[in-house]
Amino acid sequence: DGGITQSPKYLFRKEGQNVTLSCEQNLNHDAMYWYRQDPGQGLRLIYYSQIVNDFQKGDIAEGYSVSREKKESFPLTVTSAQKNPTAFYLCASSIDRSGGAKDTQYFGPGTRLTVL
Amino acid sequence: AQSVTQLDSHVSVSEGTPVLLRCNYSSSYSPSLFWYVQHPNKGLQLLLKYTSAATLVKGINGFEAEFKKSETSFHLTKPSAHMSDAAEYFCVVSEWPGRRALTFGSGTRLQVQP
Repeated sequence: DGGITQSPKYLFRKEGQNVTLSCEQNLNHDAMYWYRQDPGQGLRLIYYSQIVNDFQKGDIAEGYSVSREKKESFPLTVTSAQKNPTAFYLCASSIDRSGGAKDTQYFGPGTRLTVL
Repeated sequence: AQSVTQLDSHVSVSEGTPVLLRCNYSSSYSPSLFWYVQHPNKGLQLLLKYTSAATLVKGINGFEAEFKKSETSFHLTKPSAHMSDAAEYFCVVSEWPGRRALTFGSGTRLQVQP
């Protein structure tokens, strides 16, 4: 059963704590992405990775970090430096074999993070 | 630079009537355009995409969209709304060359009244 899994579905964190969100895909996709969604807004790009051991900042990378040690996995750490971390976080992946703009992104079910 | 404007934040229709969700875009290059749907507390599902082939694109669940370059529009339509269509819809642009991620519109919430 191919797809993208994110865990946990709901996550609560105290202020000042780091927390790591999991994203795994078994689609054999090269590229993976993290987006943040706030109420009434579209998605904003946090980080993306086109290949293992390489990643680039998106539009709102401050206060976040990522790693890409395996093709299947792209975990996102929300650090204490992120001033307003409460949001819905979505992970996506795409084939991205230089497919350019035609490359379709497929999304996981999301993790809702709440800072208490 | 690419951008997307969804012209309506909320649209309400009656079941069985047509749906029109409007989207305008700007792009420096030849864009690809997508419509995604999101049900509450769920991830996004691809409805359809345009990638410079036919300008009228058919998607899942009876939705379709027409790419109009002269109007820089990519409106989403469906002839007859179902209750299950109630969700948030996002128009998305991707361009090449350029960054390898998507630019999202702010979303349109579709309500379907019985």
